[in-house]
Amino acid sequence: DVKVTQSSRYLVKRTGEKVFLECVQDMDHENMFWYRQDPGLGLRLIYFSYDVKMKEKGDIPEGYSVSREKKERFSLILESASTNQTSMYLCASSTRTSGIGEQFFGPGTRLTVL
Amino acid sequence: GESVGLHLPTLSVQEGDNSIINCAYSNSASDYFIWYKQESGKGPQFIIDIRSNMDKRQGQRVTVLLNKTVKHLSLQIAATQPGDSAVYFCAGTFSNDYKLSFGAGTTVTVRA
Repeated sequence: DVKVTQSSRYLVKRTGEKVFLECVQDMDHENMFWYRQDPGLGLRLIYFSYDVKMKEKGDIPEGYSVSREKKERFSLILESASTNQTSMYLCASSTRTSGIGEQFFGPGTRLTVL
Repeated sequence: GESVGLHLPTLSVQEGDNSIINCAYSNSASDYFIWYKQESGKGPQFIIDIRSNMDKRQGQRVTVLLNKTVKHLSLQIAATQPGDSAVYFCAGTFSNDYKLSFGAGTTVTVRA
């Protein structure tokens, strides 16, 4: 089974803090994604990566950055956390063959920014 | 811009009945659609997909129908079970685009 793990299930940070969310997948997938999920808005793509050291902006990249130094790991960074970044963050991965289609998701990190 | 949306935010279904979850999209150039299921406390899980050159695709207890004329797709779940209680998302890709656009989700509750 594909396994996508995220470093924390719940995280509480203060405004202005730098926040790192880590995601690791164990199936050698080329593509990795970061979404945020908010009630009534579905999932919105923040960033994605189709290869090591490659990254592309999604729909809502402002206030976020990413890092992909190794194929299995994709990190989301909030440079200076703000209260409007309180959300559920979901990481996903997929193979190059399936592209953006069948994505495998991690359990999510619920981030609260106070 | 392109969008994918669901018709109803909630759906209550009697156990054993069939469920129908609807979704509409705005871009006639969309060419690929997926349904995901998200159970409480978990990430979304792929259910079934369909390409725009198809009208219907069946899986295990699930069927996706695509009506390109009215830009509508639906997910049908046969003989709904308690384990089908979840949030269901439709998502689509559009020509010249590289990402999935997700709908807001429909919460399905199965009544015993």
